[in-house]
Amino acid sequence: AQSVTQLGSHVSVSEGALVLLRCNYSSSVPPYLFWYVQYPNQGLQLLLKYTSAATLVKGINGFEAEFKKSETSFHLTKPSAHMSDAAEYFCAVSAPNTGGFKTIFGAGTRLFVKA
Amino acid sequence: NAGVTQTPKFRVLKTGQSMTLLCAQDMNHEYMYWYRQDPGMGLRLIHYSVGEGTTAKGEVPDGYNVSRLKKQNFLLGLESAAPSQTSVYFCASSYISNGGNTEAFFGQGTRLTVV
Repeated sequence: AQSVTQLGSHVSVSEGALVLLRCNYSSSVPPYLFWYVQYPNQGLQLLLKYTSAATLVKGINGFEAEFKKSETSFHLTKPSAHMSDAAEYFCAVSAPNTGGFKTIFGAGTRLFVKA
Repeated sequence: NAGVTQTPKFRVLKTGQSMTLLCAQDMNHEYMYWYRQDPGMGLRLIHYSVGEGTTAKGEVPDGYNVSRLKKQNFLLGLESAAPSQTSVYFCASSYISNGGNTEAFFGQGTRLTVV
């Protein structure tokens, strides 16, 4: 069985500061991991995904995440926050070859960016 | 380049009324899903479909029914709406890939209020 925990329902950073959104997962098999972003009144869109290739994954809009098996973590980072990064971010986990219907989403972390 | 389209975008229902949410995708995806999003709970899978003519229950199926008569459409029905079904509903689709799961493509959401 898989589960995912996002630490912090709200994160606030200043524009230009480092963004760090935390995600820890639990999985009985090597997982596939995803980060999605949701802008106000929109659906989720993929930021990046880990599928057992490189452990450091680069996504859109300057975001990246590192898969750390020993820590069961997949934290999302961006070196310098921009006002347009304000959104809600969801981490998700699934087991390979199980289809998307086995994907488990975290509760989400809302990112606020201060000018 | 429509992707996943949901209708309607907003709806207010009275308790006991019925309605159908429509989802259409133009990406020829095999898998389709209906999720509900509630504050602090992330996304929870209601029903899903792995192909035309097939449907299956997700995590929270009670009070909902679905149909997938055509590959590109996935309908979600509420037979007798209850206030507990007040939520934002998202339709999503994904494709089959050799060797692993793929990301989901989401619609813009339907905000449903049951009074």
